[in-house]
Amino acid sequence: QKEVEQDPGPLSVPEGAIVSLNCTYSNSAFQYFMWYRQYSRKGPELLMYTYSSGNKEDGRFTAQVDKSSKYISLFIRDSQPSDSATYLCASFRLTGANSKLTFGKGITLSVRP
Amino acid sequence: KAGVTQTPRYLIKTRGQQVTLSCSPISGHRSVSWYQQTPGQGLQFLFEYFSETQRNKGNFPGRFSGRQFSNSRSEMNVSTLELGDSALYLCASSLESASGKGGELFFGEGSRLTVL
Repeated sequence: QKEVEQDPGPLSVPEGAIVSLNCTYSNSAFQYFMWYRQYSRKGPELLMYTYSSGNKEDGRFTAQVDKSSKYISLFIRDSQPSDSATYLCASFRLTGANSKLTFGKGITLSVRP
Repeated sequence: KAGVTQTPRYLIKTRGQQVTLSCSPISGHRSVSWYQQTPGQGLQFLFEYFSETQRNKGNFPGRFSGRQFSNSRSEMNVSTLELGDSALYLCASSLESASGKGGELFFGEGSRLTVL
């Protein structure tokens, strides 16, 4: 079992839809949770960053972490064609020499005008 | 402020050859990590360097190696290339080591390697 599992895609939605992207993780020691966005032919860029459980909102984006169920979510409101990209969830454990960021496989989102 | 720069962007090699990829991190960033990205496996961690020392290593064979120079620039090398090494190789830098706080990585655009 991979440490971070992400819903397979691709996902296609009409412009203006609410998008829900989800991941689960298996390592209860993970403390930091991120969402990266990757446009075609580009490297991933950090979109949202949360520590432990709770919600974090940034404009049309909301990241949600539920540590009790080991569930990570990203919600996109009023989706736009410019949101079309691959979204990767990631988790991080701060434990010294073995710390590293573990990514889900990513889901490709297409927002249709 | 310049971002993470990776060279070359694209390259084609044949099985058995070796390849060296280069990464220049954001100025002031001392940590450089390397990832392999494929459609089947997603982003997989290769290794991380901090102040010229390898701090973390993923589960890749010894054919994959790297190093970091005193100016924080990093190179990774893959020897005896196999077809399965075809992938996008991404370099990421961060202000602190991933063993420190955060984990916020700034990625380059990657080097796309095709092995024939």
